[in-house]
Amino acid sequence: ETGVTQTPRHLVMGMTNKKSLKCEQHLGHNAMYWYKQSAKKPLELMFVYNFKEQTENNSVPSRFSPECPNSSHLFLHLHTLQPEDSALYLCASSLRSTSGQETQYFGPGTRLLVL
Amino acid sequence: DAKTTQPNSMESNEEEPVHLPCNHSTISGTDYIHWYRQLPSQGPEYVIHGLTSNVNNRMASLAIAEDRKSSTLILHRATLRDAAVYYCILIPYNTDKLIFGTGTRLQVFP
Repeated sequence: ETGVTQTPRHLVMGMTNKKSLKCEQHLGHNAMYWYKQSAKKPLELMFVYNFKEQTENNSVPSRFSPECPNSSHLFLHLHTLQPEDSALYLCASSLRSTSGQETQYFGPGTRLLVL
Repeated sequence: DAKTTQPNSMESNEEEPVHLPCNHSTISGTDYIHWYRQLPSQGPEYVIHGLTSNVNNRMASLAIAEDRKSSTLILHRATLRDAAVYYCILIPYNTDKLIFGTGTRLQVFP
C-alpha cells in the first residue's frame, strides 16, 4: 500500500472518446506528477504540479490535459488519443523540497489501450 | 542532466547477495544518488539514496565510490520478491525531477 491510488486500473478507449484518469494521494504531499511508460521505453515525466500549480509540461500533446483541483487529487483528461498513446500512466506524489532528497511515491498505474 | 549507466540485466540465486552497479561519471557535487525499483505490474518504489557516505536501510545498502563516479546497490539476501527493474537516478539538490533510464532487470532464481 503506497498511499497513492489510481483509477481506473485498466482502460480501453476509442480514438474519438473522452476519458479521465484519476489519482489521489493520502500522504499529505504537496507535489504530484504524471508519468508515461510505453512498452520497452523508460518512464517519461509528463507533468508536475506543486501546490496545485503546474510547474512542468514536458512537451506533452494537448490531447492530454491535466487538472489538479487540490494537492490531494490529480486528473489526466484524455481526448482524441492515438494508438501510440497506449501505455501505462503513472501518478506520483512527494513532499516538495529543493534538497535533492525528495522521495516520490508512485501509484499502481492505469494501463491504457487506445483502439 | 547527469546520466547514469547500468547493465541491462543481472541474475541472482535466492538468498545470495546482489550487487547492482551504476556509473555516473558526470555527476556534479550536489547531485544525490537515488535508487528506485519497479516490480512487475506495479509503479516504481523508492529504495535508497545517498550523497557521499554509504547508506543502509531495511531494504538495501548503497555503496558510493570515493570519487562519486559510481555506486552500487547491495541487496544482502535476494528473495524472489526482489525480482524487478532497478533504476539509478541522479537528482540535483534544487530539483524534484526523476529522469528514468532503462535500469537493470534483476532476475532471482529459486
